[in-house]
Amino acid sequence: AQKITQTQPGMFVQEKEAVTLDCTYDTSDQSYGLFWYKQPSSGEMIFLIYQGSYDEQNATEGRYSLNFQKARKSANLVISASQLGDSAMYFCAMREGPGNNDMRFGAGTRLTVKP
Amino acid sequence: GAVVSQHPSRVICKSGTSVKIECRSLDFQATTMFWYRQFPKQSLMLMATSNEGSKATYEQGVEKDKFLINHASLTLSTLTVTSAHPEDSSFYICSAKVLYNEQFFGPGTRLTVL
Repeated sequence: AQKITQTQPGMFVQEKEAVTLDCTYDTSDQSYGLFWYKQPSSGEMIFLIYQGSYDEQNATEGRYSLNFQKARKSANLVISASQLGDSAMYFCAMREGPGNNDMRFGAGTRLTVKP
Repeated sequence: GAVVSQHPSRVICKSGTSVKIECRSLDFQATTMFWYRQFPKQSLMLMATSNEGSKATYEQGVEKDKFLINHASLTLSTLTVTSAHPEDSSFYICSAKVLYNEQFFGPGTRLTVL
């Protein structure tokens, strides 16, 4: 069963505007971590932001913030003041439980920032 | 953040040959490394989890005899694609885990099998 769901294959946003990329997840674990990565055309995976399941406050990192709604099992990424360099694939990922567990990825959303 | 390198970044080989991809954690020791595969316009799919000094754990559907993983030290894991075929052409990405929350990815290796 798909544990990470990203329902938006592609998104467009005007430069300088904010955009929300959706991510829902499914887990029965109480302890888990949620991640967002950016993958430009070069292929490298760039870590953006992390939210732990026990974190009470939404994570923020510069222009990135994570809208964590635990009861709804959603972890949407909000990018404020979009820049042309934000155009890339964005992946939501989850790691369940403590220890050296692996990270599972959603299908990704391709974001295009328009000038 | 911690740096993970992969070598080579790009490789083209003939069908039937074997290709080795190296993944190194440059400034930290990684007890666990992961190997992912990514087809064009698709997500990353976990192939195997590699712990230093022990056998890798492969995901269902991944042939362990075809994708040999060796994690001989805390800073190096290798993936060998044996008897490569065109369908093995893909983008291979490794990642290394530092602390509970930290996982860093290598830049990836693009394999093309002719």
